[in-house]
Formats: sequence, structure tokens, C-alpha cells
Amino acid sequence: EVHLVESGGGLVQPGGSLRLSCAASGFRFDDYAMHWVRQPPGKGLEWVSGLSWQSDDIGYGDSVKGRFIISRDNAKNSLYLQMNNVKPEDTAIYYCAKNYGDTTRGPFDSWGQGVLVTVSS
Amino acid sequence: SSVLTQPPSVSVAPGQTARITCGGHNFRDRSVHWYQQRPGQAPLLVIYDDMDRPSGIPERFSGSSSWNTATLTISRAEAGDEADYFCQVWDTGSDLVRFGGGTKLTVL
Repeated sequence: EVHLVESGGGLVQPGGSLRLSCAASGFRFDDYAMHWVRQPPGKGLEWVSGLSWQSDDIGYGDSVKGRFIISRDNAKNSLYLQMNNVKPEDTAIYYCAKNYGDTTRGPFDSWGQGVLVTVSS
Repeated sequence: SSVLTQPPSVSVAPGQTARITCGGHNFRDRSVHWYQQRPGQAPLLVIYDDMDRPSGIPERFSGSSSWNTATLTISRAEAGDEADYFCQVWDTGSDLVRFGGGTKLTVL
């Protein structure tokens, strides 16, 4: 069974940095692209970033491009999101999601339970 | 840019059929995927590649797509189907993953 567990969320001040982690188990991590998707409280879903299994195909949503960095460590079955220069509008639940099949931009067939990031002074 | 438009809410009586639409231009060359999100839970993939169901998703869930509209159909609606539903595509022109705004399904 696929299991994705996010960590690293919390309260951060505007302009600050935070690093999210996602621990994966139950599947061959280095066979699949992985993604971060976020959801502001009470609102819809927004794709943040995704990368291929080899990390050679990386994409970012327009609202985080230049501020966030996605990475992975296949040896540790882990996905990361380095969030820099955060803004109040980055406040959201951040989900780690596994890509389905051999594509690199969805669909997302497994999701973690999410971690809350709050950007506030 | 591609904008996916969903109705904010849809209501259906138990046992009846609910249809949730996702409007956007040029679905002919892109696959549409659908997610169910119950309150307080993570999203769940219910339809991928326009009409395919992942393992474990009931046959009551089906999908279709025309050139400018994708539709998620839920037959014989049950109370447990109450949730938010989101459509999603990969906009190859901009290399962005896009979600629709979501539709809240109420089973009256």
C-alpha cells in the first residue's frame, strides 16, 4: 500500500523560509514522478511543483516560480519542497502526491494527508 | 492560458444521477482527470484519462469528454458521494498542471 507522509509545516513569517519533506513507502519511489499540490483553507487545489523520477524534468506553478525549489532523494524515498521568501498567500495545506504511470504531469493517484503551512507575522 | 470552469455546486437526490461539468477549450488533445475530496480528507483520484477508473472506484463513477467540456457522471448517487469534485488537466502549452475551481456535490 502506498504511504506518503508530509512533515515540516508550521508557522513562518513573511519573507522567511521553510522546508517540507515527504516520506514515501509501499512502491518503487524512483519509478515515478512526484508533486506538491496545495490548498488554501476553504479553497480549491493548486499545483505547486512536480519533478520526474530522475529530476531532469521539473515544473513550477506561476505563483511559486523563482521562490520554491523541489527536489528528491531516491535513496531515501523522500521528496522535498524548499520554500523561500514566503508570502501570506502561500498559507495552505501542502500535499505530496504520486504521479500515475510514466507521465510527469499527472494524474495523481496517491496523496498524503497534507501538512499545514501558515505564513503570518 | 487555460481556465477550467466548474459549477460551484450540484445537488442530486439519492439514487439519481449527478453530472458535474468542467469547461475549457480544446480538450481534444489533453486528458482530463477527476478527484473527489471529502471534508477533512486528501483528494482521491476517481477518473483518469477522461473515462478510466482506478482500481477500487465504483462503476457508478464514469467520465466523458467532448472538445470543450468534460463531464463526471455519478449514477445512483449515495450520501457517501457528498464531497468536492475537482477536474484537472496538463496544459501542455504552458507546461502547467491546472485544476478546476471545484464543485460541491450535495446529495439531498
